[in-house]
Amino acid sequence: KQEVTQIPAALSVPEGENLVLNCSFTDSAIYNLQWFRQDPGKGLTSLLLIQSSQREQTSGRLNASLDKSSGRSTLYIAASQPGDSATYLCAVSARGSTLGRLYFGRGTQLTVWP
Amino acid sequence: DTAVSQTPKYLVTQMGNDKSIKCEQNLGHDTMYWYKQDSKKFLKIMFSYNNKELIINETVPNRFSPKSPDKAHLNLHINSLELGDSAVYFCASSHTGTSTADTQYFGPGTRLTVL
Repeated sequence: KQEVTQIPAALSVPEGENLVLNCSFTDSAIYNLQWFRQDPGKGLTSLLLIQSSQREQTSGRLNASLDKSSGRSTLYIAASQPGDSATYLCAVSARGSTLGRLYFGRGTQLTVWP
Repeated sequence: DTAVSQTPKYLVTQMGNDKSIKCEQNLGHDTMYWYKQDSKKFLKIMFSYNNKELIINETVPNRFSPKSPDKAHLNLHINSLELGDSAVYFCASSHTGTSTADTQYFGPGTRLTVL
């Protein structure tokens, strides 16, 4: 069964720092990996989706990498801002399970202070 | 122009009652999902429908019954509510191809509190 782990569980940094959020998964047979952002009391917003054949995706100050063989992904946030404060969730869509079924990690709660 | 909408946003009810949550998407997607997020913020899939057909049915009590009247709607009915059903329920939708799975778009959530 696919298990997704995110480290750290919480992170507090001053504005302007570059930071890395980590995600690991136990079964490398995946269709894709997605990073989501969740603001308090809100739904999830998709940030980046990396297909299993890709190594990385970039959107603005965000860069996500995927190393499928080692079961790891990182989300790099450049020049962090207070508006980046949220919980970041990693999810994988696993081969061998129903297409579209996502396995989520428990998230990293990020606080960026001015 | 909301993409995935859910009603109600908040639901407070007594144990033993029956309640429904509605979800609608205007993205033209063919697959819709229900997720439960517990008090520890862990998100877990409950059901998914593809073109009105049930394709994922996790180990969920049969008090929970999803219904998809058409591709754009997926409702969740819960019978005989229990304290442990208190959580935030999220609806999501996506395109699902034969070999790829696209980004899932989530609704704002329904916070259910059972007293």
